[in-house]
Formats: sequence, structure tokens, C-alpha cells
Amino acid sequence: NAGVTQTPKFRILKIGQSMTLQCTQDMNHNYMYWYRQDPGMGLKLIYYSVGAGITDKGEVPNGYNVSRSTTEDFPLRLELAAPSQTSVYFCASRPVSTDTQYFGPGTRLTVL
Amino acid sequence: GESVGLHLPTLSVQEGDNSIINCAYSNSASDYFIWYKQESGKGPQFIIDIRSNMDKRQGQRVTVLLNKTVKHLSLQIAATQPGDSAVYFCAENKGDYKLSFGAGTTVTVRA
Repeated sequence: NAGVTQTPKFRILKIGQSMTLQCTQDMNHNYMYWYRQDPGMGLKLIYYSVGAGITDKGEVPNGYNVSRSTTEDFPLRLELAAPSQTSVYFCASRPVSTDTQYFGPGTRLTVL
Repeated sequence: GESVGLHLPTLSVQEGDNSIINCAYSNSASDYFIWYKQESGKGPQFIIDIRSNMDKRQGQRVTVLLNKTVKHLSLQIAATQPGDSAVYFCAENKGDYKLSFGAGTTVTVRA
């Protein structure tokens, strides 16, 4: 299993641009999550999904959108990038049977 | 709001010594806690977890202690090695399938 994979690893955006951060897991996990991590801080939940077709907001959803059309994929969309969205973004997944979440390697996003 | 926090942002430890990383939580209803390790440039990696019906759980070179009376948990790393240098996060289960993370403790191992 590759686990949780994220693309791209790095990206620089200009203010107002849009992009999609990709997340895929091959463990057949029902639950998937998007977090952001600002320097020296813990992880803050942006959105999560409990299964295909079901998504819900976390602590900091403003400026982001998600979709979950398949069990494997959970893309995160930034429509109008702002400097405040400069951060490292982590995707995670977990099975129904445990509370433990498994994380991808992250995407480092800079908005200039 | 209620949240998980760590006592110290940094910890420097001599190689071979034991490390203790502390975490305080405020939600007495939390029933599940996890410790994650995050190495530079990588995603958090699961270390060990504990449920609220336990006081102690041991893994390989790691032990988690839970004190529900004072709402405190700790991660002990035995015989700390250079590869243990990382940021350590505690997290609690907030229900609704979500975790709440503390800010992290950066552990630096001195040779």
C-alpha cells in the first residue's frame, strides 16, 4: 500500500489564483481529513468526509472547498488564493474501526 | 474552548537519557488520546494511543501515561536516540470523528 499520497509537494501561487490539492488513499478508509499547519503550530481541521458524497466543515473552512466522489480521493480546492492561506496542508485518512488517523507527506503552499 | 495543549514548546535531551513530553487537556469527556511524531518535512506519524479507561500503555521504547484526575498525559521515550529528534503532538478525540491537536513540543537530542 502507498498509504496517503498528496500532490503537489510544493506550490507557489499568486494572490487570486486557484488550485486543487490532491489527496488519494489506497487503504479503503471511509474517513478523510484536510488540515493546515502554520509555522510552530498544531494542525487545524479544514474539512473532513465520512464517506463518498459526504463532507463537512472543520475549524477553518473559509476559502476552501472539497468534494468526495470516490472513497479514494479527497481533493481540496482553493478558489481565490490569499497570503493567509500560506501553510503546509496535510491530508489524513482513517478506517471506521479506529480513531487513529494516517497522514500524507503534505503540500507546502506559498501565496505571494 | 476546550483544547489540548503541551506544557513546553521545546525539550533538549542527552542521547541515551529518557525523555518526558507533557500534555494537558481540558475536556474531561475526552475518551481517546494519541501521540504523533513529526519529522522535518514529513507528515505526522502515529506513535501510540490510549483510551480513557487505561492509565498506562507501553510500546517499543515509548510509554504513555494518562492522569484523568488532573487531565494530563505524558509521553516517555526511553534511551532517546538521535532519530527521536522531531516535533511531538498530542491529540484528543473530539467526537464526530475529529481530533484536536496541541501545538507540539520540539525534541532535540544532543550527542
